[in-house]
Amino acid sequence: DGGITQSPKYLFRKEGQNVTLSCEQNLNHDAMYWYRQDPGQGLRLIYYSQIVNDFQKGDIAEGYSVSREKKESFPLTVTSAQKNPTAFYLCASITPSGAAFFGQGTRLTVV
Amino acid sequence: QQPVQSPQAVILREGEDAVINCSSSKALYSVHWYRQKHGEAPVFLMILLKGGEQKGHDKISASFNEKKQQSSLYLTASQLSYSGTYFCGTDTTGANNLFFGTGTRLTVIP
Repeated sequence: DGGITQSPKYLFRKEGQNVTLSCEQNLNHDAMYWYRQDPGQGLRLIYYSQIVNDFQKGDIAEGYSVSREKKESFPLTVTSAQKNPTAFYLCASITPSGAAFFGQGTRLTVV
Repeated sequence: QQPVQSPQAVILREGEDAVINCSSSKALYSVHWYRQKHGEAPVFLMILLKGGEQKGHDKISASFNEKKQQSSLYLTASQLSYSGTYFCGTDTTGANNLFFGTGTRLTVIP
């Protein structure tokens, strides 16, 4: 089945620790995006990549890093520089016509 | 660049209609609508491109007024399955970099 797979579903991070969220797609889409969602808020863009080996910062990129070494994969690292990382993280890939297909999300909690 | 959605929340009885509005301060290339159920990923509903088009499927339709930089989502004869949070996403450049509103929580009760 084609789709977007995010893992893990739940993640706990200790203070000062880096963690990496996985996002894999088999839809053959060029464009992939990472969003952060806080309670009662919309989705805010962290990073996006329109093509392999290229990515751009979104509105709230500070404290995050990404890589795009393969078309299928767009992992997000939440670094210790991100002071308030507790949130729901959503990865999406975009069809050429612009429709976004989202993964099931990763809920990150700082402990 | 975040669009403004209204209302923030609405409660409907089954069979009633609702309108959700999305307004931008910038000129829009396209408007996207998504529905998210609690704890799940947003699901794509439709895209409207500049040119003032309307779209719809089943009993959910939308319009896009390019001049007013606004879009509205219409839900008619609501069903229990329509419950969820509806987000509009706006694209100001044509590059599909979407800015999402804060959402409208729709609850349909029997």
